[in-house]
Amino acid sequence: QQQVKQSPQSLIVQKGGISIINCAYENTAFDYFPWYQQFPGKGPALLIAIRPDVSEKKEGRFTISFNKSAKQFSLHIMDSQPGDSATYFCAASGDDKIIFGKGTRLHILP
Amino acid sequence: NAGVTQTPKFRVLKTGQSMTLLCAQDMNHEYMYWYRQDPGMGLRLIHYSVGEGTTAKGEVPDGYNVSRLKKQNFLLGLESAAPSQTSVYFCASSYDRRGILDTQYFGPGTRLTVL
Repeated sequence: QQQVKQSPQSLIVQKGGISIINCAYENTAFDYFPWYQQFPGKGPALLIAIRPDVSEKKEGRFTISFNKSAKQFSLHIMDSQPGDSATYFCAASGDDKIIFGKGTRLHILP
Repeated sequence: NAGVTQTPKFRVLKTGQSMTLLCAQDMNHEYMYWYRQDPGMGLRLIHYSVGEGTTAKGEVPDGYNVSRLKKQNFLLGLESAAPSQTSVYFCASSYDRRGILDTQYFGPGTRLTVL
């Protein structure tokens, strides 16, 4: 019940394309769903986050879609750029717990 | 503001040796966390603290101890290092008293190798 399943493990997208990363959780007590971006040799940094009272949140080229009934959420990166190449982690937290997905290594081809 | 800093950046230990990793934050955050990151495993919470003088176990606490004697510092100790503790360790902090529902700010990491 504590897992957060993230897919795909790796993703290659052409510049200008849409990158989509999916996550699924099991624990219905989770009520905060952040995405973190990590560049090589650096610590993760918060990219965007959503709470389950909304189905979508958009910040610039980054959008989270949230499906509470399916217990799934996804990150969409529009107009993907080479500078977006990084590892992305979804997470789910609540009830004094936070569980991270295993990460997606995204590579944007120039 | 330096944000969250970690020392050391790199360390090599022999099996059975002990060491302490230091995390410091200058944002006056209440909550602090220690994670380990292993290839293909994501980030796993080791221990966390909800305020000065408090600590709590996370997902993978065995083999580690922590202390939060000062609000700005969070120490992670390995009493008898094992090769399974080879990992990259990240410290993080967050402000909100609601708990771990708030943005976490991560340090740059400590790469530990246990031979």
